[in-house]
Amino acid sequence: AQSVTQPDIHITVSEGASLELRCNYSYGATPYLFWYVQSPGQGLQLLLKYFSGDTLVQGIKGFEAEFKRSQSSFNLRKPSVHWSDAAEYFCAVFTGTASKLTFGTGTRLQVTL
Amino acid sequence: SAVISQKPSRDICQRGTSLTIQCQVDSQVTMMFWYRQQPGQSLTLIATANQGSEATYESGFVIDKFPISRPNLTFSTLTVSNMSPEDSSIYLCSVVPGGSYEQYFGPGTRLTVT
Repeated sequence: AQSVTQPDIHITVSEGASLELRCNYSYGATPYLFWYVQSPGQGLQLLLKYFSGDTLVQGIKGFEAEFKRSQSSFNLRKPSVHWSDAAEYFCAVFTGTASKLTFGTGTRLQVTL
Repeated sequence: SAVISQKPSRDICQRGTSLTIQCQVDSQVTMMFWYRQQPGQSLTLIATANQGSEATYESGFVIDKFPISRPNLTFSTLTVSNMSPEDSSIYLCSVVPGGSYEQYFGPGTRLTVT
């Protein structure tokens, strides 16, 4: 069965610093991968996705993620974090045959000024 | 993409009662899902809401506790029955628009059971 691991429960970065959130997946075939962000009291917003092709994908709000098949990873990055990026970030894998999303446990990002 | 609304946005309910949550989408979609997010936790899929037929429930979730209706391709309801404090969670619906693999989420319903 597919699974998603986000090893960092909580990360704190200073505003303006770079950010990398880790995500590892377990899935037999080529996965469809997603990153979502959940701001306090809000629903989930899709940041970016990877289906195939270029392994570096760009998303909204200046985020990008790189798919590395050899490492089963799909890490999220941002070169310069803004205070408004403080939120919970979820990595998810989509199994096309079942049309279901499996979520990681999430990483809470805190941004200090 | 899709625009999804949920009602109510939040509620406080007494133990033993039931609450029905509505999910409305601005376009017809085939795939619609219901998730639960317990406090401080990730999302867990409750069921797939199938239009015109019974919902497909995930392991650990049963129809008697979480009955789901899907009368058409733009609307679904989830009922949380005979509630206990352990049901206090955020409940989210999501959709996958046709021809897409992207899943979009509603704003969620924050339920507190006292």
